[in-house]
Amino acid sequence: GESVGLHLPTLSVQEGDNSIINCAYSNSASDYFIWYKQESGKGPQFIIDIRSNMDKRQGQRVTVLLNKTVKHLSLQIAATQPGDSAVYFCAEIAGGGADGLTFGKGTHLIIQP
Amino acid sequence: DAGVIQSPRHEVTEMGQEVTLRCKPISGHNSLFWYRQTMMRGLELLIYFNNNVPIDDSGMPEDRFSAKMPNASFSTLKIQPSEPRDSAVYFCASSFGAQKPQHFGDGTRLSIL
Repeated sequence: GESVGLHLPTLSVQEGDNSIINCAYSNSASDYFIWYKQESGKGPQFIIDIRSNMDKRQGQRVTVLLNKTVKHLSLQIAATQPGDSAVYFCAEIAGGGADGLTFGKGTHLIIQP
Repeated sequence: DAGVIQSPRHEVTEMGQEVTLRCKPISGHNSLFWYRQTMMRGLELLIYFNNNVPIDDSGMPEDRFSAKMPNASFSTLKIQPSEPRDSAVYFCASSFGAQKPQHFGDGTRLSIL
């Protein structure tokens, strides 16, 4: 039969606009979260992280929001640029000494000129 | 600073052959992770090491897969014998300690014919 791959959600925004990428996680024990950016042919690139004792963290042009009540994470990118086009992944680490990342499915961000 | 270095970047081989993927983590990092990325399953953790000791290999798909870390600056992931379903991009990542950003190499794109 025909194989079906993951169908990535796509977010298309105009250059200069703000982007918001959302991620739902399922493990209530997760206490560390990371956003990664992956460009074609490259490995995931670290953008920003947040621990479960925080609900907001800001970096350069990026902000991560964490809502533990509904297990939701978002990445806001201000004034998007063509170089922001990529697939964005959220990843989590559960507590209790497990160090491996569990990745979400990813969102494909497309910047329109 | 040099990032995580993986070799080879691409590998094409026939099924049944032994495949060895190599990784040099970032100097000073004491945790090393192997991930696999496919269209069907996304990014998945295979195994990780802390201070050269394998901690969690529950993600290794079968006994055909094995990983070693003989010293702090080198790790291998071996598949023997290889099968077409092993075709994927294999990433190595390293971090300094638990619950810290993991930095990824650019991966090895493996094709088993």
